[in-house]
Amino acid sequence: DAGVIQSPRHEVTEMGQEVTLRCKPISGHDYLFWYRQTMMRGLELLIYFNNNVPIDDSGMPEDRFSAKMPNASFSTLKIQPSEPRDSAVYFCASKTGMKETQYFGPGTRLLVL
Amino acid sequence: GENVEQHPSTLSVQEGDSAVIKCTYSDSASNYFPWYKQELGKGPQLIIDIRSNVGEKKDQRIAVTLNKTAKHFSLHITETQPEDSAVYFCAASTGLNKFYFGSGTKLNVKP
Repeated sequence: DAGVIQSPRHEVTEMGQEVTLRCKPISGHDYLFWYRQTMMRGLELLIYFNNNVPIDDSGMPEDRFSAKMPNASFSTLKIQPSEPRDSAVYFCASKTGMKETQYFGPGTRLLVL
Repeated sequence: GENVEQHPSTLSVQEGDSAVIKCTYSDSASNYFPWYKQELGKGPQLIIDIRSNVGEKKDQRIAVTLNKTAKHFSLHITETQPEDSAVYFCAASTGLNKFYFGSGTKLNVKP
């Protein structure tokens, strides 16, 4: 299995630009999670989906952030407009409903100038 | 909500020595406690986990202990090797799919 796939791995953009992060979960997994990792706040859950439906988005920082999961094999996290404080590593993780273990992707390192 | 505290933030040991990382949690409803290892430039990878109905679990050189009464759990790595050097995260979950992570421990194993 290829594991969770994220793209791009690195993104540098200017303040005000739209950023789209992509994730392909492990095949057969019906839960998908988006996390943000920063030095100040550590690993924090932004949103998670079950069977493509958003279940809990209480961690999404503000309206500039949005996430979608149009099908079982693809999800996006969009930031519009981006701000320097959004600079972080964004991880996608997936799991099956049968187990608690979450499998993380390699992350997208975002730098907003 | 749940609050997980992790100590120490950095830990340096000599190769072959043991390393212990400790975490406390606040929500008595938490019943699942995974430990993740994150190497530089990579995503966190599960190394061991424990459920609240078990007090201890071991997998080769790695063991985790859980004290539900005191609400703390610990990761023990014996016979450390340079490849154990990484950042380790503990987490707690009530089983509702939300993980609350500790702040991480950077382990350095000196050859």
